[in-house]
Amino acid sequence: AQSVSQHNHHVILSEAASLELGCNYSYGGTVNLFWYVQYPGQHLQLLLKYFSGDPLVKGIKGFEAEFIKSKFSFNLRKPSVQWSDTAEYFCAVAQGGKLIFGQGTELSVKP
Amino acid sequence: ETGVTQTPRHLVMGMTNKKSLKCEQHLGHNAMYWYKQSAKKPLELMFVYNFKEQTENNSVPSRFSPECPNSSHLFLHLHTLQPEDSALYLCASSQEIMGPGVPYEQYFGPGTRLTVT
Repeated sequence: AQSVSQHNHHVILSEAASLELGCNYSYGGTVNLFWYVQYPGQHLQLLLKYFSGDPLVKGIKGFEAEFIKSKFSFNLRKPSVQWSDTAEYFCAVAQGGKLIFGQGTELSVKP
Repeated sequence: ETGVTQTPRHLVMGMTNKKSLKCEQHLGHNAMYWYKQSAKKPLELMFVYNFKEQTENNSVPSRFSPECPNSSHLFLHLHTLQPEDSALYLCASSQEIMGPGVPYEQYFGPGTRLTVT
C-alpha cells in the first residue's frame, strides 16, 4: 500500500532562511502529488500540486516543489521564508481516488 | 473562505452520548470525504462519497456512521465513542473523485475538534 514519509517533524528557521521539506512516497506508477498547508487555527489549503508535465511545480506564496520520479520524492522549497509561513505542511499522494497524507512537518519561523 | 463549512467547531461528549457532525459544501462538488486528524499522525481517510453513494469505508468502526443525503451535505453520526476517538474531524469535497491524471483538488473545512470524556 502507498505510504508517505515526511522526515522532518519540526523545523525552526529564522526569517529569510531557505526552506526545504522532504517528502517521499513508497509506491511507483502514476501518482499525483500535493502539498497542503495548515496555518494556525485555519483549515488545510492547497499550496501546489503535480499531475504531469514539468516536474518543477510552482505554487502560491513563493513555494515550489520538484518531483523526482527516480527518488520517489516531492520536496517542498522556498528560497526565503517569512514569519507568516509558520504553519504545518502536509505532503499527500493521490492513488486510487484517495489522498494519502504524510504526518506533517511543523515549521516555525522566528522573526 | 466559506467553501466548506463544518458544525460544530468544538464538541465534548461522553462515551454514552450520541451526537452528529455536519459538513456542508457550497462549491457544487460531487465528492465528499471525512478524515480524522490526530496529533502526530497522518490524516486518516475515513469515508468517501461520490454522487451521494459511499465508495470508501476505510475500516472505520461502526460507532462512526456517515450519512450523505445530497451532494452538498455530509454527516457523521457518533455513538458510544471511546476516548481515543478524540481528534479533529475534517470534511473535504472535490469536483469528483480523483483518478489517474485527473486534477481534482480537495477543499477542506475547518474541522470539528472532538473530545470524548
